Amino acid sequence: DAKTTQPPSMDCAEGRAANLPCNHSTISGNEYVYWYRQIHSQGPQYIIHGLKNNETNEMASLIITEDRKSSTLILPHATLRDTAVYYCIVRGNNNDMRFGAGTRLTVKP
Amino acid sequence: GAVVSQHPSWVICKSGTSVKIECRSLDFQATTMFWYRQFPKQSLMLMATSNEGSKATYEQGVEKDKFLINHASLTLSTLTVTSAHPEDSSFYICSASAPGGGGNTGELFFGEGSRLTVL
Repeated sequence: DAKTTQPPSMDCAEGRAANLPCNHSTISGNEYVYWYRQIHSQGPQYIIHGLKNNETNEMASLIITEDRKSSTLILPHATLRDTAVYYCIVRGNNNDMRFGAGTRLTVKP
Repeated sequence: GAVVSQHPSWVICKSGTSVKIECRSLDFQATTMFWYRQFPKQSLMLMATSNEGSKATYEQGVEKDKFLINHASLTLSTLTVTSAHPEDSSFYICSASAPGGGGNTGELFFGEGSRLTVL
């Protein structure tokens, strides 16, 4: 079973920052938080992952709370092509990934 | 970055036939690959973990005799849907862990998916 909860959907204006929240209150000390996104009829695309420190790459930033019970994915300047389902996943100790329902982000012009 | 490729990307078959889907890690060796199934408007559901040189580990409720998994090399895992029926129609996706990061710190790359339609 997925160990994360996310809002089912969110809207964001083009050019603005998209902040996608995720709760993972039962995360274990050595489990990482991963974010992927899936555009219709494609395989999931890796975005970013982290353990406890905030992370940033060319796609997004990941903010993890100090107690690690929640995190936020930030797309700094959303574009129409960022419209997708975003999955927050806690990666298990045996490397498997179990997907929750995700958040359907719609970027509007 | 690391690439995982699936073939075929889509397939249509008659009920009762078997269909094989391939998952290849193109530029890295993957000792473990994962197979998922996704129905329309639903999330990905983990079906099984494929380990190179050993038997796959199936999730509860997934029939191992129906979904045959073979991971004969470090770059190839196959999923065979045996005696397919219309209810097996779905989007099948594989993933593989790239080395380098080690353990669960490395990225998990996903294939493009294979859409199966059983008539």
